[in-house]
Amino acid sequence: GNSVTQMEGPVTLSEEAFLTINCTYTATGYPSLFWYVQYPGEGLQLLLKATKADDKGSNKGFEATYRKETTSFHLEKGSVQVSDSAVYFCALSDSGGYNKLIFGAGTRLAVHP
Amino acid sequence: DVKVTQSSRYLVKRTGEKVFLECVQDMDHENMFWYRQDPGLGLRLIYFSYDVKMKEKGDIPEGYSVSREKKERFSLILESASTNQTSMYLCASSLPGQNYGYTFGSGTRLTVV
Repeated sequence: GNSVTQMEGPVTLSEEAFLTINCTYTATGYPSLFWYVQYPGEGLQLLLKATKADDKGSNKGFEATYRKETTSFHLEKGSVQVSDSAVYFCALSDSGGYNKLIFGAGTRLAVHP
Repeated sequence: DVKVTQSSRYLVKRTGEKVFLECVQDMDHENMFWYRQDPGLGLRLIYFSYDVKMKEKGDIPEGYSVSREKKERFSLILESASTNQTSMYLCASSLPGQNYGYTFGSGTRLTVV
C-alpha cells in the first residue's frame, strides 16, 4: 500500500544553518505531496504542496520538489530561525478517493540561537 | 479567517464514561476526518466522512464511533472511554480531490483516568 518515510529526528541546528528533512514515498498512481508543520501544543498547518512531478512547492522560505524518479519530496530551507522549531510531517494523498492523506511519522526540528 | 474548531483543548474523563469530541468547520468542506496522534506512532486515521450522514472507517476505528448530522459538524464518540484512548485527537476538513490539503483544528488532548 501507499506509505511515507521520513528521516528520524530530532534534527538539531544552529540558527541560519541549512535544513534538509528527507521524505520518500511509495504510491500507486500520481499522488499529491504535502508538508505540514506542527508547533508545540497546536494542530498541523499546511506548509507547502506539489501536485505533479517536477512541481516545486514553496512557502516561508521552505521548498520541496516532487521527484517522481526518486520518489522523494525533501524539505529544504536555506537559513533556519529559532521560530522554525516544530515537528514537520510529510504526507501524500491516497489516490483511492476521498482525499485521504497518509502521513509520515514526523521529524522534530530544534533550532538553537 | 477560515477555520476548524474543536470544542475543547484539554479534557479529563473517567474510565467507562461516554465521551463526545466535537469539531466544526466553516469552510463548507465535504470531507472531514478524525485522527489521533501518539508519540512514536504519528497520526492514525480513526474515521472520516465525505458527506452528511456518511462515514467510513479509518485504520483504527475500534472503540470509536462518529456522527455527521450537518455538513459543518463531525463528532467523535468514545463509547466507553479507556486509558489506552488517552491521546491527542485532531480533526481536519478538506475539499474533495487529491490536490487539496487538510485544514486542521488545534487538537483536543484527552486524558482518561
